[in-house]
Amino acid sequence: DAGVIQSPRHEVTEMGQEVTLRCKPISGHNSLFWYRQTMMRGLELLIYFNNNVPIDDSGMPEDRFSAKMPNASFSTLKIQPSEPRDSAVYFCASSSGGLKTQYFGPGTRLLVL
Amino acid sequence: GQQVMQIPQYQHVQEGEDFTTYCNSSTTLSNIQWYKQRPGGHPVFLIQLVKSGEVKKQKRLTFQFGEAKKNSSLHITATQTTDVGTYFCAGLISSGSARQLTFGSGTQLTVLP
Repeated sequence: DAGVIQSPRHEVTEMGQEVTLRCKPISGHNSLFWYRQTMMRGLELLIYFNNNVPIDDSGMPEDRFSAKMPNASFSTLKIQPSEPRDSAVYFCASSSGGLKTQYFGPGTRLLVL
Repeated sequence: GQQVMQIPQYQHVQEGEDFTTYCNSSTTLSNIQWYKQRPGGHPVFLIQLVKSGEVKKQKRLTFQFGEAKKNSSLHITATQTTDVGTYFCAGLISSGSARQLTFGSGTQLTVLP
C-alpha cells in the first residue's frame, strides 16, 4: 500500500516567492496533519484537518501560511511570500481518525534563499 | 501552553550499552505515542500507551507509562547501530472537548560501534 505522498521532495526558492507543498494521505484516512521541523524548534504541528475540515490551525505561524484540503485525497500548504526563516522540513501525516497513530510522509525539504 | 518535556536531548552510547529516554508532562495525558526518526528520514510510529502503569515491549525496546499518566520512558537494551536516530514522544492532552497532541523535543541517539 502506498504511504503518505508528498511533493516536491526538495524545494529551493528565493525570498518573496510563493511556495506550494502538496500531500496525498493514505487512502481511507480521514485526518491529515501538517508539521514543520527545524533544529531550533523541533517538530511543530501547524494545522490538522478532520474530514477535510480544519480543526486546529493554532500552529500556523502567520498569515503568510495557508492550508487547504479540497478533498479527502489531497492537501496543500502554501507560503506566500516565503522568507528565509521558513526554511525547514515540512511533513504531512495522516491517521484513521483524529489524533491516533500518525503515518508521516517523507517530507519536503524547503530552502528559502 | 501545554508542554511535553523530553530528556536527554542527546545520548551517545557504545554498542551493547542500554539507553533510556524520558518524557514528562505537567498535565495528565490521555495517551502517549512514541516515534523514531532515522537521520534524514521521517518519524515512524513505534507504539501507543493508554493505561496507567502500562508496560509494552517490542524486542529490545520497553515502553512504560507512569501511574499518574504524566510521564513515560523508552528503554533500549543492548543497543545496536540500527537503533541510531531521534526518538520522540507525543502526549495527547484532553481538556473538555479540546484535544492536543504535543511532541517532545526528541532524544537523538548515537550508537558507537
